[in-house]
Amino acid sequence: DADVTQTPRNRITKTGKRIMLECSQTKGHDRMYWYRQDPGLGLRLIYYSFDVKDINKGEISDGYSVSRQAQAKFSLSLESAIPNQTALYFCATSDPRQGAETQYFGPGTRLLVL
Amino acid sequence: AQSVTQLDSHVSVSEGTPVLLRCNYSSSYSPSLFWYVQHPNKGLQLLLKYTSAATLVKGINGFEAEFKKSETSFHLTKPSAHMSDAAEYFCVVRGNDYKLSFGAGTTVTVRA
Repeated sequence: DADVTQTPRNRITKTGKRIMLECSQTKGHDRMYWYRQDPGLGLRLIYYSFDVKDINKGEISDGYSVSRQAQAKFSLSLESAIPNQTALYFCATSDPRQGAETQYFGPGTRLLVL
Repeated sequence: AQSVTQLDSHVSVSEGTPVLLRCNYSSSYSPSLFWYVQHPNKGLQLLLKYTSAATLVKGINGFEAEFKKSETSFHLTKPSAHMSDAAEYFCVVRGNDYKLSFGAGTTVTVRA
């Protein structure tokens, strides 16, 4: 969905490096999410934010941090990357005023930690 | 807590034949259920959603799903597969905390 963009799309880094993945959205949604996808595990929630002043841990937040710079921007950081953080990362947004609150996903960032 | 189980990790069908992707859910209340599709190297796209209205839900690209409370199922079907349906499909349930729980995914292969 072009309304949710992620940068970079691909990233290779080394163990111990700090990296940041960025997400921007033009949908005007208050709620934003970060997920990681691993083969055979579906998507798992890392962090979520219901507005600029609200940050919440998901089910697998250890080793990650986030920053909600504005309604439209939500960044995910790996302070010291490790190989088991190699995964496909997705950002998503939602609007609680919509019925069933559909989440809209970005194209993903493929991260490889060596 | 709510969860979903996708019963098949991989489904292979011939073009023009029906597709059935099975999903069972677990929820202590009336759930909101979704099917998302992920084409190779793409993000996730919503196929359809169930929100306690009609039990038969029609989605995009000819897909539909039926909510069966007695069987705690939300299976996805399409009467005639197309080559473009080759993708990974995720069954998803939304909890009352607004968070989504994803199934492990079903990879669909379409044979010419």
